[in-house]
Amino acid sequence: AQKITQTQPGMFVQEKEAVTLDCTYDTSDPSYGLFWYKQPSSGEMIFLIYQGSYDQQNATEGRYSLNFQKARKSANLVISASQLGDSAMYFCAMREAQGGSEKLVFGKGTKLTVNP
Amino acid sequence: DAGVIQSPRHEVTEMGQEVTLRCKPISGHDYLFWYRQTMMRGLELLIYFNNNVPIDDSGMPEDRFSAKMPNASFSTLKIQPSEPRDSAVYFCASSARGGHHNQPQHFGDGTRLSIL
Repeated sequence: AQKITQTQPGMFVQEKEAVTLDCTYDTSDPSYGLFWYKQPSSGEMIFLIYQGSYDQQNATEGRYSLNFQKARKSANLVISASQLGDSAMYFCAMREAQGGSEKLVFGKGTKLTVNP
Repeated sequence: DAGVIQSPRHEVTEMGQEVTLRCKPISGHDYLFWYRQTMMRGLELLIYFNNNVPIDDSGMPEDRFSAKMPNASFSTLKIQPSEPRDSAVYFCASSARGGHHNQPQHFGDGTRLSIL
């Protein structure tokens, strides 16, 4: 079974609007971390935001916020006030604490296009 | 602050040749990761090191691949002999140790490898 599922291969949004990118995960480990990365067309991987499984509040980082619904095992990324520069691939990733591993497992990604 | 530095950025070589990819992690980070990204398989972890010691190499595809970390500021990923199916973008990433596994991995710009 896939550990990280991103069901939206592509998403479109108008500039200045908000957009939600979906991510669901599968783990039996009570302690885990969830990460979102952005990959522009230039290819680099940019860390955006982190949510820990024990965090009581949803993570926020500037225009990025994470809608964390633990019971549903979802960690959706919300981008507010979209900008043209937000056009990129977005990857959700999970790190499980079990065994002390530092491995990150990535989803397949969602390609976001921001239209002017 | 300097990020993760990878070289070369691009490599084109013929099948059967030895390929060496290089990585300098962020100073002070004690974890180093090698990933491979392809359209078919997405982003895959190949191997990671902690304090220069390989911890998990279960993602290394076969014996043609090897990775070393002779010191805290340098790592190599070698492919010998190379094959066309090794064509991919190879990323190096590093991270610090977080008490609650919350430290993100910071990625280099990647090496785009093409095996003819």
